[in-house]
Amino acid sequence: SQQGEEDPQALSIQEGENATMNCSYKTSINNLQWYRQNSGRGLVHLILIRSNEREKHSGRLRVTLDTSKKSSSLLITASRAADTASYFCATASGGATNKLIFGTGTLLAVQP
Amino acid sequence: GAVVSQHPSWVICKSGTSVKIECRSLDFQATTMFWYRQFPKQSLMLMATSNEGSKATYEQGVEKDKFLINHASLTLSTLTVTSAHPEDSSFYICSARDWGGGPNYGYTFGSGTRLTVV
Repeated sequence: SQQGEEDPQALSIQEGENATMNCSYKTSINNLQWYRQNSGRGLVHLILIRSNEREKHSGRLRVTLDTSKKSSSLLITASRAADTASYFCATASGGATNKLIFGTGTLLAVQP
Repeated sequence: GAVVSQHPSWVICKSGTSVKIECRSLDFQATTMFWYRQFPKQSLMLMATSNEGSKATYEQGVEKDKFLINHASLTLSTLTVTSAHPEDSSFYICSARDWGGGPNYGYTFGSGTRLTVV
C-alpha cells in the first residue's frame, strides 16, 4: 500500500539552486522520514521529523511537517550535481510494528 | 552506526526455480524486519513485516506462499521467492529496526537485491 504522494514527480534544476519536494499522506503518523536513493541502489536515511515537530534542519536540508494538512516538505539548499537522486518520504505508523510506508518519490536532477 | 547486510546483491535465475535473499543486522538486534519490492522507476512497496520467532505479516495482495519469509533469529531474516517467474523480477530491499528503539527510532536498509528471472 502507498501512504504518500509526492510532487513533483520529477524536478530539474541548476547547481546552486534550491530544490523543494512535497509529500502528502493519508493517516495519522508517529514520524515522517525522508530518504534518498541513487539509481538502482539502496536507501540513505536523510532526516526524521516527529509528529509533534514542525521543522527540522540537517546541513543543507530543511524539513517541515504540517500534521493538520498531512503534508511535509523537503528543501535542499544550494544544490549540487551529487544531489541528483530519487527522494522518498516515508511515514511510520501502526503502533508497535511501526511499519514504514513510502511515498511515490521525486526524481531530482541537478545540472552542473 | 547500524548496518544491515543484504545478500546477494544481484541474482539471475531460471523461471520456476526458487531464490533466497538474506538480510542480516550486523551490530544490533532486529526484532522486526521489513521486506520491500521496487519495480523500475517506482517507489518501494512494503511486502511483509517479519517478527523474530513468529509468522510474517503480509500486505494485501502479496502471496505468502510465493514469498516465504523466515525470521529465525534476532539478526537474520530471509525472503525466498518460490517458483520465480519473469514478473517477479524486481529490486528487493530489506529494512530492520533496532530492538531497543521506540516509535521514533530510525530504520536501517540493506543495499538491495536485484532479481532477474529469465
